[in-house]
Amino acid sequence: EVQLVVSGGGSAQPGGSLRLSCAASGFTFSNYWMHWVRQPPGKGLVWVSRINSDGSTTTYADSVQGRLTMSRDNAKNTLYLQMNSLRVEDTAMYYCARESSVSQGLFDYWGQGSLVTVSS
Amino acid sequence: DIVMTQSTDSLAVSLGERATINCKSSQSVFYNSNNKNYLIWYQQKSGQPPKLLIYWASTRESGVPDRFSGGGSGTDFTLTISSLQAEDVAVYYCQQHYSIPYTFGQGTKLEIK
Repeated sequence: EVQLVVSGGGSAQPGGSLRLSCAASGFTFSNYWMHWVRQPPGKGLVWVSRINSDGSTTTYADSVQGRLTMSRDNAKNTLYLQMNSLRVEDTAMYYCARESSVSQGLFDYWGQGSLVTVSS
Repeated sequence: DIVMTQSTDSLAVSLGERATINCKSSQSVFYNSNNKNYLIWYQQKSGQPPKLLIYWASTRESGVPDRFSGGGSGTDFTLTISSLQAEDVAVYYCQQHYSIPYTFGQGTKLEIK
């Protein structure tokens, strides 16, 4: 059974940092591209970033470029999102999602999410 | 960026009746090279992550009940639930994966009338 377990969320002040982790199991993690998608409270889904299967290539939404860094450790079956210079508008539930082998940008499994709250 | 617009923010339908949710993209998400529409539908129930329902605009994901169907091409798409069940209460999102950044519609909240 595919499982994605997100941890590391919490509260931070503007300008602060947090690191999210997404532990994967039930599939060969190193074969799949992975993504982060966020959802502000009561609002819709926003794509954040992606990483290729070996971790050599990342792509980010303009709104997070230069502040959020996505990485992975295939030996540990874990995905990361390092969040620096946090802003109030980064407040959201953060989901990790597996990209389907059917097509790029198609998310077939999602983690349960971790809430990040940025406020002073 | 491709803007995805769902025409209805909320929709109330009686049990057993048909529900139709619309989604429009600001530019075509149809690839001529493989004849596919890069349009996805997700279902998100309260307190849960999204669940993949339909991809390529009309292909049901494995395990999704056949009362769910998708249609449309180019820039205009629909998600139809042929006979609404109580467990279908959720927010439904369309998403384009034609180009980065991948973008979602704002969501349509489906309720029981």
